[in-house]
Amino acid sequence: TQLLEQSPQFLSIQEGENLTVYCNSSSVFSSLQWYRQEPGEGPVLLVTVVTGGEVKKLKRLTFQFGDARKDSSLHITAAQPGDTGLYLCAGGTTGNQFYFGTGTSLTVIP
Amino acid sequence: GAGVSQSPSNKVTEKGKDVELRCDPISGHTALYWYRQSLGQGLEFLIYFQGNSAPDKSGLPSDRFSAERTGGSVSTLTIQRTQQEDSAVYLCASSQLGSSGRARYFGAGTRLSVL
Repeated sequence: TQLLEQSPQFLSIQEGENLTVYCNSSSVFSSLQWYRQEPGEGPVLLVTVVTGGEVKKLKRLTFQFGDARKDSSLHITAAQPGDTGLYLCAGGTTGNQFYFGTGTSLTVIP
Repeated sequence: GAGVSQSPSNKVTEKGKDVELRCDPISGHTALYWYRQSLGQGLEFLIYFQGNSAPDKSGLPSDRFSAERTGGSVSTLTIQRTQQEDSAVYLCASSQLGSSGRARYFGAGTRLSVL
């Protein structure tokens, strides 16, 4: 059983389009992180959110933590080929547990 | 070093052989994690070391898998009597502290292929 479900699993879009990736759970998390992984590399942290309803922006990427701290979304505006990669959400609990999501593979076509 | 270093980057082995994968974490990071990743999939937790505490081995898939961390730094993941289903990318990560909210810094991984 996966604690953190991501959708969609695969996404292929044209350069310049917008997209949203979702990370959902029935569990409450004290923190939520998003990572991006490029082929042949390890995941790299993009952002950490800790407050319900929190919104963080990183250039064209907008991250939101749900009010109940059970879900999160990643929105990319005007996607670029350099955004291509595997996006992973990860949640931490107050019990010091940490779980990675199922992953979303994004391909941006030039 | 500047980042997490893993070696070898690629390992091809025959079914039934033992393999050792090495991880050199970021200097000063007390927590070290091993994960397994099948092609394009999410990460499967294997084992976690925090300082001198007993490791959390709850993610190891079988008793063929073991890991140690010497001197609170370098870690070795050993897979005995490898099977084809062990083929995957093995990722190591470290963090400054072991709490759940701490960012994990990952190495590039070891791609293991069992023939």
